[in-house]
Order: sequence, then C-alpha cells, then structure tokens
Amino acid sequence: AQKITQTQPGMFVQEKEAVTLDCTYDTSDPSYGLFWYKQPSSGEMIFLIYQGSYDQQNATEGRYSLNFQKARKSANLVISASQLGDSAMYFCAMRDLRDDKIIFGKGTRLHILP
Amino acid sequence: DGGITQSPKYLFRKEGQNVTLSCEQNLNHDAMYWYRQDPGQGLRLIYYSQIVNDFQKGDIAEGYSVSREKKESFPLTVTSAQKNPTAFYLCASLGQGSYEQYFGPGTRLTVT
Repeated sequence: AQKITQTQPGMFVQEKEAVTLDCTYDTSDPSYGLFWYKQPSSGEMIFLIYQGSYDQQNATEGRYSLNFQKARKSANLVISASQLGDSAMYFCAMRDLRDDKIIFGKGTRLHILP
Repeated sequence: DGGITQSPKYLFRKEGQNVTLSCEQNLNHDAMYWYRQDPGQGLRLIYYSQIVNDFQKGDIAEGYSVSREKKESFPLTVTSAQKNPTAFYLCASLGQGSYEQYFGPGTRLTVT
C-alpha cells in the first residue's frame, strides 16, 4: 500500500535561512509522481512543485527545489532564502500513475521568524 | 474563469442527518477527488473518480457516498453512518496529462 510520511509536525526557521521539509514515501509501483503543496491559514491549496519517478534531475521552481532520492524513497522540499510569507502548512503528496490515486502526508507547519 | 467551486463554505447539520457537499469544476478535467482534513491528520482521501460513472474508494470511504453522473460534478454525501463527520472537506480535480491538482476552497462541516 502507498504511504506518505512527514515526520516534522512543526518547524521554526529564521527569515532568509534555507529550510528543508522532510518527506518519505512507500510504494511498490515503479511509476509515480511526488508533489508539494502549501496551505496558508486561509485554507487554499497552492501547488509548489512536482517530481516524476523517472525524472533524472531534481525539480526546481523558483525558490523551491525537490531533493529526490529514489533509493531512499525520500522527496524533501527545500526552500531557499525563506520569507515571512512562507509561514504555512506544507503537504507532501504522491500520485499512483496507474489509477491517478493521490494521497497526502500529515503535513509540516512552518513558522518563519523575523 | 476556470476553477472548482464548493458550496456552501460553512455547513451546519444535526447528528443523524445526511448532508451533501457540492463540487463543480469547469476545467474539463477527467479526474476528481474528495479529501477530508482534520487538525494533525493532513488530507485523507475519501473517494476519487477517474471518469464519469466510475469512482473508487479512498482510504476513509466508510460513512460517505459519491456519484459521478456528469464530468463537471462530483457531489459527496456524508451519511449518518459517519462517526465523526465534523471536518474541513476539500474537492480537487486533475486534468488528463497534467500533474497539478486544482483544489476548491473547501467546505467546513459542523455536525452537532
């Protein structure tokens, strides 16, 4: 069965520092996708970044990068030069490419300190 | 503008009543999803549908039912069998060949 694990319920980081949010996953399928979403206190879900299981290079989108280590089944999100507006809940998710089932982890609440 | 609408934003019901949450999308997406969000639990998948007239149970389908009679619509019924229905419910859709799920604004259901 598929599973997503986020082991950091909360994190406090000083503004302008880089931050790494951990995500490990478990699946027996060779074809899958990994996502990160941001959820501010407003409740909306904001797509950040995607990595396919066959992608050779780590995905990057602006200040966001996904550190994909396939053998270790990890897909950590790295935010460079954190900003106050980065304070939010962050969710890691995995998609089964056979049937489009998408599951999420429990999330990490990130607090950026001024 | 294309997007997903969920209505209402807040919903209050008495225990023992069934309630249906609306989800409509005009993105022409094939796949649609329902998630439940509780504090500390993340998003948990209730049901999902890849195509009209077909849907699959997610990880916490007990006490819920869905239908997919139209591509644009994927209503979720919270039945009286759901033991703890008070939660924030999010609907999402996914386009063919796309990798970004689009989410609605959510419905906060309170059952007393």
